[in-house]
Amino acid sequence: LAKTTQPISMDSYEGQEVNITCSHNNIATNDYITWYQQFPSQGPRFIIQGYKTKVTNEVASLFIPADRKSSTLSLPRVSLSDTAVYYCLVGVRTGGGNKLTFGTGTQLKVEL
Amino acid sequence: NAGVTQTPKFRILKIGQSMTLQCTQDMNHNYMYWYRQDPGMGLKLIYYSVGAGITDKGEVPNGYNVSRSTTEDFPLRLELAAPSQTSVYFCASSPWDSGNHEQFFGPGTRLTVL
Repeated sequence: LAKTTQPISMDSYEGQEVNITCSHNNIATNDYITWYQQFPSQGPRFIIQGYKTKVTNEVASLFIPADRKSSTLSLPRVSLSDTAVYYCLVGVRTGGGNKLTFGTGTQLKVEL
Repeated sequence: NAGVTQTPKFRILKIGQSMTLQCTQDMNHNYMYWYRQDPGMGLKLIYYSVGAGITDKGEVPNGYNVSRSTTEDFPLRLELAAPSQTSVYFCASSPWDSGNHEQFFGPGTRLTVL
């Protein structure tokens, strides 16, 4: 299983851009990278996924360097409501099944 | 669509008791998963299924069993509950096709074993 490492916590202020990096040194060729957001007492919610280079959607961007040993989730202009735990997930479909590993999670705190 | 639903929301068990956590999805997803999340920790995969009749172990399967008789349902069975199984349990489903790896999570079941 691809092991992932993230910073435990990050602090930011409203309106700033936040970048959260996930390390996955032993990512396999077929592994995709996905990011999730989790609020207290709720299940995780999908944010974005990628395989290589850059992916952007309406809420975030995901940057993946050529060696794919890390990935960076970028949240533009955060607000108080972005305070949550963010997880990166590296997973692959192998032999008809899926082996998935969640990272340790990064607690993002956004203040005024 | 209701998405992924889980029952019950909360449950207290005594050591040695058994129970089944229910999970249902109405999105016709082939892939379903069970995770547990201990306080302040990330999610750990217990079991997963790639379709009806097919299940496989995840990272922490000991003390649990699953079955998948239909596409919609993926119950998790706890036999002989132990305090170490106190956790929040999340069920998820995914299409995992055409490059779409998004997982849809249920609201969770909070289980306490005393």
